[in-house]
Amino acid sequence: QKEVEQNSGPLSVPEGAIASLNCTYSDRGSQSFFWYRQYSGKSPELIMSIYSNGDKEDGRFTAQLNKASQYVSLLIRDSQPSDSATYLCAVTRNTPLVFGKGTRLSVIA
Amino acid sequence: DTGVSQDPRHKITKRGQNVTFRCDPISEHNRLYWYRQTLGQGPEFLTYFQNEAQLEKSRLLSDRFSAERPKGSFSTLEIQRTEQGDSAMYLCASSLQQYTEAFFGQGTRLTVV
Repeated sequence: QKEVEQNSGPLSVPEGAIASLNCTYSDRGSQSFFWYRQYSGKSPELIMSIYSNGDKEDGRFTAQLNKASQYVSLLIRDSQPSDSATYLCAVTRNTPLVFGKGTRLSVIA
Repeated sequence: DTGVSQDPRHKITKRGQNVTFRCDPISEHNRLYWYRQTLGQGPEFLTYFQNEAQLEKSRLLSDRFSAERPKGSFSTLEIQRTEQGDSAMYLCASSLQQYTEAFFGQGTRLTVV
């Protein structure tokens, strides 16, 4: 059974701080890793993809991948109240995406 | 690029009725996925297509559920004899290739009363 684990939160951070979201996965053969943001009542929105070990930066977002530890993380710098949402980690090998349950982030103004 | 489009956005139906949802993927995407999401959970995979071929179905997809993608473009998901447990957000996503980024539509929220 392929699993993706995330802390459900809520994770509360003050405005301007760095939010750190973590994800572990069970399938060692996983090849592609994604972070989605989902606002309440809306559908998931892709914000980051990462395919190789290391860091990938896009604006205020940094995705980090460590395949040996089967660990993916998302850092959000200068957190804003508009970043308050549920963040979903998704992983794939050669099958459709497997999602974690998501971490709820609350950025406090 | 109009994105992934789903119709209807909301559906309320009585238990026992049949419902059908439609998904129009991003035009050049050959992979199309259906997921279901309930409150507090991540999206759960139901089925997916590569062009018109249905390649995989989840064990979640009981025989009351059927999906088609007749010409490799839009797809439909039908639920027969709906049950209250079918109440959820039904999400469609598409991607260009295997392993690549998948983009979601707005979803169809189904309520079975």
